[in-house]
Amino acid sequence: SYELTQPPSVSVSPGQTASITCSGDKLGGKYACWYQQKPGQSPVLVIYQDNKRPSGIPERFSGSNSGNTATLTISGTQAMDEADYYCQAWDSSTFVVFGGGTKLTVL
Amino acid sequence: EVQLVESGGGLVQPGGSLRLSCAASGFTFSRYWMTWVRQAPGKGLEWVANIKQDGSEKHYVDSVKGRFTISRDNAENSLYVQMNSLRAEDTAVYYCARIDSSGLAFDYWGQGTLVTVSS
Repeated sequence: SYELTQPPSVSVSPGQTASITCSGDKLGGKYACWYQQKPGQSPVLVIYQDNKRPSGIPERFSGSNSGNTATLTISGTQAMDEADYYCQAWDSSTFVVFGGGTKLTVL
Repeated sequence: EVQLVESGGGLVQPGGSLRLSCAASGFTFSRYWMTWVRQAPGKGLEWVANIKQDGSEKHYVDSVKGRFTISRDNAENSLYVQMNSLRAEDTAVYYCARIDSSGLAFDYWGQGTLVTVSS
């Protein structure tokens, strides 16, 4: 079955750039998206089709996907960006796959 | 405004059944694939099932195949999942979500409903 691997945690200082990776076999050949989930809240889509931002998502959120790795980048990270982030892709065998999630700490 | 409101969660004994509902509003429900995603306490997101606009195509994660059935009523703007033979490992918050027009992302999520399977 297809799997997506994320680092369990990433730390970043306020104002700096945070990068969260998501690895999977030939992931660059699929579309990846990213969700933000704050404690006690539902997930929110922040990036879809590798690098598109839904309406209302700040420009500091960006994405890329190539080879075996998709990356979510948050530029000028703010305290409000502290959350869990999940990547997701579609696979012909497993259908929908989520990564295990990355806890972003802003300190 | 797109809204998805889940209901039907609760405490159920192992082997029991439960039916979750998701009431949709603010968009033309019949034009979108819909999905259920769950999250066990303290764990990550797990996709459960998808259903096509007209209900003619359904897909499930292996762990629920034969036990869960996803369905929809476009006249009532509602999504459902019938869960049978429930196990402790099915304990989770269950979210319904809309699949966007590209078919590749879940663009709106409900608030979730908690299902606890325990004796």
